[in-house]
Amino acid sequence: SQQGEEDPQALSIQEGENATMNCSYKTSINNLQWYRQNSGRGLVHLILIRSNEREKHSGRLRVTLDTSKKSSSLLITASRAADTASYFCAPSYSGAGSYQLTFGKGTKLSVIP
Amino acid sequence: DVKVTQSSRYLVKRTGEKVFLECVQDMDHENMFWYRQDPGLGLRLIYFSYDVKMKEKGDIPEGYSVSREKKERFSLILESASTNQTSMYLCASSSGQVRQPQHFGDGTRLSIL
Repeated sequence: SQQGEEDPQALSIQEGENATMNCSYKTSINNLQWYRQNSGRGLVHLILIRSNEREKHSGRLRVTLDTSKKSSSLLITASRAADTASYFCAPSYSGAGSYQLTFGKGTKLSVIP
Repeated sequence: DVKVTQSSRYLVKRTGEKVFLECVQDMDHENMFWYRQDPGLGLRLIYFSYDVKMKEKGDIPEGYSVSREKKERFSLILESASTNQTSMYLCASSSGQVRQPQHFGDGTRLSIL
């Protein structure tokens, strides 16, 4: 299985600080997606970045993609306690089944009020 | 908003029982997925379906089967439950366009005693 791999596994920051999470993947992708999971709940889609895009913004979220390094990063600016959750990247590989995503193990973010 | 509903949030069953987990989506999505999520292992795909009566094995199909008789409903069946199937089970759906975001239910936490 060619999961994305998030780094770090866990991150603890103070409210108001920025949080950066990284994702590395193995081979060529069609797109890469980021999801959030609050404790005990399902995953929620945050943002999708296509292989021909380098950066994408959505509110306080900024995602970058470097296909030459096979990596992506998710930046959450001005974090809030409500951002406490696990964050997953999901590369969608070019050669894989058209409907499947492969999820990493996630970064657990704790935002301390 | 897309709604994916899983029939139970918590379920306790006994070893050897046949267990049914139900999932319903209300957005006329072609694709539906079943994952299990375990600490340290992330999300692993069990089965998915891209059309009524169609199914494909994911990464860990052993001990499971699925049924999709109607477009909106995707059932996961544990033929003879075992303790190593104690886990969080997540259902998701996505539109028929390739590599689209997935929409998740809130999960069923299943305990096999």
